[in-house]
Amino acid sequence: ETGVTQSPTHLIKTRGQQVTLRCSSQSGHNTVSWYQQALGQGPQFIFQYYREEENGRGNFPPRFSGLQFPNYSSELNVNALELDDSALYLCASSPWTEGGEQFFGPGTRLTVL
Amino acid sequence: GQQLNQSPQSMFIQEGEDVSMNCTSSSIFNTWLWYKQDPGEGPVLLIALYKAGELTSNGRLTAQFGITRKDSFLNISASIPSDVGIYFCAGPLGGSGTYKYIFGTGTRLKVLA
Repeated sequence: ETGVTQSPTHLIKTRGQQVTLRCSSQSGHNTVSWYQQALGQGPQFIFQYYREEENGRGNFPPRFSGLQFPNYSSELNVNALELDDSALYLCASSPWTEGGEQFFGPGTRLTVL
Repeated sequence: GQQLNQSPQSMFIQEGEDVSMNCTSSSIFNTWLWYKQDPGEGPVLLIALYKAGELTSNGRLTAQFGITRKDSFLNISASIPSDVGIYFCAGPLGGSGTYKYIFGTGTRLKVLA
């Protein structure tokens, strides 16, 4: 059974640019969530996708957007990058959407200069 | 953003000692999740709790779902050096298929050999 994978591992961008991060969910999981984790803090929920639609969102502006594909993989897009967007971005997948356990990938470290 | 309160924030213990940490919230949760995160990696699920009063073990780890549904506890028995890391509690808020996952502030554990 393959776990959650994310790409790329590390990424460096400059302020104002756009970035796309990718996530493949664990086999059999149809729900994907994205989190932002700043250094020294707990993960902050960005949004969740189920059946290719967003079905839960945290306190993040619209420039954070996502997609889920028919194979349940997902993308996180961030437009107009700001310095404060520098963080570890984590993807988590679940076998159902009813508020159950989530399994995390290794994350993508984004640095905005 | 909204976070769960964890205590202690950090702790140094001797190898072989037992460890206790807790997580409290002003909101009611129907699920409590406990994760361990090593530096630069994604959180790893340790224990999931689904019922008030539930006591669940995973090896040397034992977690409890508080009766009020506003708190949870994690105990580690006979700690070993590889227990070092950050422990997070987490839970979903919402319902009817739409959830927002909240993470705690974390407890940093350091084990002295």
